[in-house]
Amino acid sequence: EVQVVESGGGLVKPGRPLRLSCTASGFMFGDYAMSWFRQAPGKGLEWVGFIRSKAHGGTTEYAASVKGRFAISRDDSKSIAYLQMNSLKIEDTAVYYCTDGTYGHWGQGTLVTVSS
Amino acid sequence: DIVMTQTPLSLSVTPGQSASISCRSSQSLLHSDGNTFVYWYLQRPGQSPQLLLYDVSSRFSGVPDRFSGSGSGTDFTLRISRVEAADVGVYYCMQGIELPTFGQGTTVEIK
Repeated sequence: EVQVVESGGGLVKPGRPLRLSCTASGFMFGDYAMSWFRQAPGKGLEWVGFIRSKAHGGTTEYAASVKGRFAISRDDSKSIAYLQMNSLKIEDTAVYYCTDGTYGHWGQGTLVTVSS
Repeated sequence: DIVMTQTPLSLSVTPGQSASISCRSSQSLLHSDGNTFVYWYLQRPGQSPQLLLYDVSSRFSGVPDRFSGSGSGTDFTLRISRVEAADVGVYYCMQGIELPTFGQGTTVEIK
């Protein structure tokens, strides 16, 4: 059974960093891209970014709202994808979800609250 | 960015009746490989989004055949037959031909 589990959320002050983890199981992690999405309180879904598989260069793409501040990486040996969030802003407050490359398997999400 | 526009934004449905949600994209979602990268999600209250359909009309694992999708180019429709109480939530369309973008969401409630 495919599972993805996000972790690492919490309360953080504006301007500070935070790293989220997405631990996957049940599929050949290294063969797939991994994506991050978010949902601000009471709002719709927003794509944050993704990282391609190593076979496709392991390169990343980001939404304009986070480009230059967020970075996605992966550790295929541990089946974990990371979302490093720097220079956090109040408007980054959201539940963050990760998905596999099919966009079909979502975790339960992890809440990031940016507040002074 | 490709803009996805959903209509209606809210829908009230009698159990057992059908419902349709439309999604229009600002440019064609037909890829040169012949696939059309349109996804439909349901987010039940307090839950994560769950994938219902991909590639316009393919049902994801475990999704009942009451859910169906159609459309091409820039116009797509999700149809729910024989609506049940468990279908309540917010439905989103998403395009995957470029960097993903979502529609605004359609809230479905039961009458």
